[in-house]
Amino acid sequence: DTEVTQTPKHLVMGMTNKKSLKCEQHMGHRAMYWYKQKAKKPPELMFVYSYEKLSINESVPSRFSPECPNSSLLNLHLHALQPEDSALYLCASSRLGHLHGNTEAFFGQGTRLTVV
Amino acid sequence: AQTVTQSQPEMSVQEAETVTLSCTYDTSESNYYLFWYKQPPSRQMILVIRQEAYKQQNATENRFSVNFQKAAKSFSLKISDSQLGDTAMYFCAFTINSGYALNFGKGTSLLVTP
Repeated sequence: DTEVTQTPKHLVMGMTNKKSLKCEQHMGHRAMYWYKQKAKKPPELMFVYSYEKLSINESVPSRFSPECPNSSLLNLHLHALQPEDSALYLCASSRLGHLHGNTEAFFGQGTRLTVV
Repeated sequence: AQTVTQSQPEMSVQEAETVTLSCTYDTSESNYYLFWYKQPPSRQMILVIRQEAYKQQNATENRFSVNFQKAAKSFSLKISDSQLGDTAMYFCAFTINSGYALNFGKGTSLLVTP
């Protein structure tokens, strides 16, 4: 199993809604990542969990709240989002607790989020 | 700070031809890794090829090869015998040893035509 599975694939939410994005991997990877990608732009790192602990928060607004309940699961809780938060949200994982040349990052297919 | 520059926003190549995508980077680190990722319309980022900075030999993966010029801080991707399925956005990316973040370039949109 070399997959990172993200659900849902598409999500439309109002600015007052609370929703969650889910990411799962069963490869035994010890690092998991959330990226945000706007159309025709590269992914931007949001959060990194290493060994289930939050290692990096790239100054992301508090309306995005990550959670890593166990080593296989990563959630992103969304609350009071703005229309400019509409984007593709990508989850990734890597075998080690950090990136290394022989440790690639595996990406999921992303959740296309639209905030109305 | 590390920066990655892809100077070709869009490229087009005919099926079976060869195309080269360019990437330059800037870093003061001595131990780092370079990657090319492909993102087709299906949205999933897929690793195409990786290069360790300490290795002089250029990496190859089937039809994909790189030209790594460390002194010039250049890392270009050559796709031989292009196929329609190669149509995608290609991102050059960089990470330092034991780093967490992949620093991506802005991407090159490659269209392979029949």
